[in-house]
Amino acid sequence: KQEVTQIPAALSVPEGENLVLNCSFTDSAIYNLQWFRQDPGKGLTSLLLIQSSQREQTSGRLNASLDKSSGRSTLYIAASQPGDSATYLCAVTNYGGATNKLIFGTGTLLAVQP
Amino acid sequence: DVKVTQSSRYLVKRTGEKVFLECVQDMDHENMFWYRQDPGLGLRLIYFSYDVKMKEKGDIPEGYSVSREKKERFSLILESASTNQTSMYLCASSSYRDRGNEQYFGPGTRLTVT
Repeated sequence: KQEVTQIPAALSVPEGENLVLNCSFTDSAIYNLQWFRQDPGKGLTSLLLIQSSQREQTSGRLNASLDKSSGRSTLYIAASQPGDSATYLCAVTNYGGATNKLIFGTGTLLAVQP
Repeated sequence: DVKVTQSSRYLVKRTGEKVFLECVQDMDHENMFWYRQDPGLGLRLIYFSYDVKMKEKGDIPEGYSVSREKKERFSLILESASTNQTSMYLCASSSYRDRGNEQYFGPGTRLTVT
């Protein structure tokens, strides 16, 4: 059974710092991996999607990498800003099945201090 | 841009009431999902649908049913609401035509059952 873990559960950094969020998964037979952002009381915003054949994806100050063989993904945030404060979730979809169900980690709560 | 909307942001219901949560997407997506999110448990899949009138159970379907009469609309039904169904409910949609079958989420419905 696929399990997704995110470490750390919470992180506080000063503004301007570069940071890395970690995501690990137990079954390497994944179809894709998505990183989401969730603000308090709100829905999920998709940040980056990495397909199984890809090693990384970039969007602005965000860079996500994927290493399927080791079951790991990282989300790198450059030059962090207070507006980056949110919960970050990673989720994987496994091969097989028609709908590619997402399996989520429990998230990392990020606080960027001004 | 993909838009997923949910009928209510906040809902308060009494134990034993029948509750309908509605989700609408405007991108002709085949797949639609209902999740619930609870502190410490993360997001868990309740039901999903890969076509009109088609549905499959997710990880925690007990106490819920769903309806998909039109492609753009997916309803979650609590036949007899109970206090342990107090939660944040999130709807999502995706398409096989999209890159990596990326899932897009609505803003969520915070349901309180008293």
